[in-house]
Amino acid sequence: GENVEQHPSTLSVQEGDSAVIKCTYSDSASNYFPWYKQELGKRPQLIIDIRSNVGEKKDQRIAVTLNKTAKHFSLHITETQPEDSAVYFCAAVYRGSTLGRLYFGRGTQLTVWP
Amino acid sequence: DARVTQTPRDKVTEMGQEVTMRCQPILGHNTVFWYRQTMMQGLELLAYFRNRAPLDDSGMPKDRFSAEMPDATLATLKIQPSEPRDSAVYFCASGLGLAGADTQYFGPGTRLTVL
Repeated sequence: GENVEQHPSTLSVQEGDSAVIKCTYSDSASNYFPWYKQELGKRPQLIIDIRSNVGEKKDQRIAVTLNKTAKHFSLHITETQPEDSAVYFCAAVYRGSTLGRLYFGRGTQLTVWP
Repeated sequence: DARVTQTPRDKVTEMGQEVTMRCQPILGHNTVFWYRQTMMQGLELLAYFRNRAPLDDSGMPKDRFSAEMPDATLATLKIQPSEPRDSAVYFCASGLGLAGADTQYFGPGTRLTVL
């Protein structure tokens, strides 16, 4: 199956700075890469996703980049705010498996200091 | 705004007791997933269903856990007997099951504490 590695496990930044979280995957057949944000005590929620036919996608202050050759993708958050503090999970769909199963990274605890 | 619902939201029980968690997927979604989240293990996939049929439950301890979908609007996860190491937050998620691009929508979770 797919193996998704996520780094760093914790990240602290000052408000207004940028934050970058990186993930690598093992199966070159994976073609869908969502990112989930989980605030303390809440459910994981999809914040952005990217498909393998796209190299970059932006949505206001967040962006995701994908390098298929290197098999890694990254989440970029610019102008961070305290409300960005949460755990962020990357994931990948392994097309060789039964449709729909996501393989998650271990998560990154992002803390934004005011 | 359709959402996945889960009951109960919190459950405290004693070791050895049976625990049943319920999930109502978003109407029209044909894939359902059960995850367990702990600080040590992150998000672990326990089982998942497509069109109510179990596809993979290799993540579940078979001797004590069971997952079913009695109908398209209800998924259940049972633990019998429960043990303290089962204490975790259990999430249900559902999706449309689209090829290669299946967004999963998570429920609010059931926080289970086994004493």
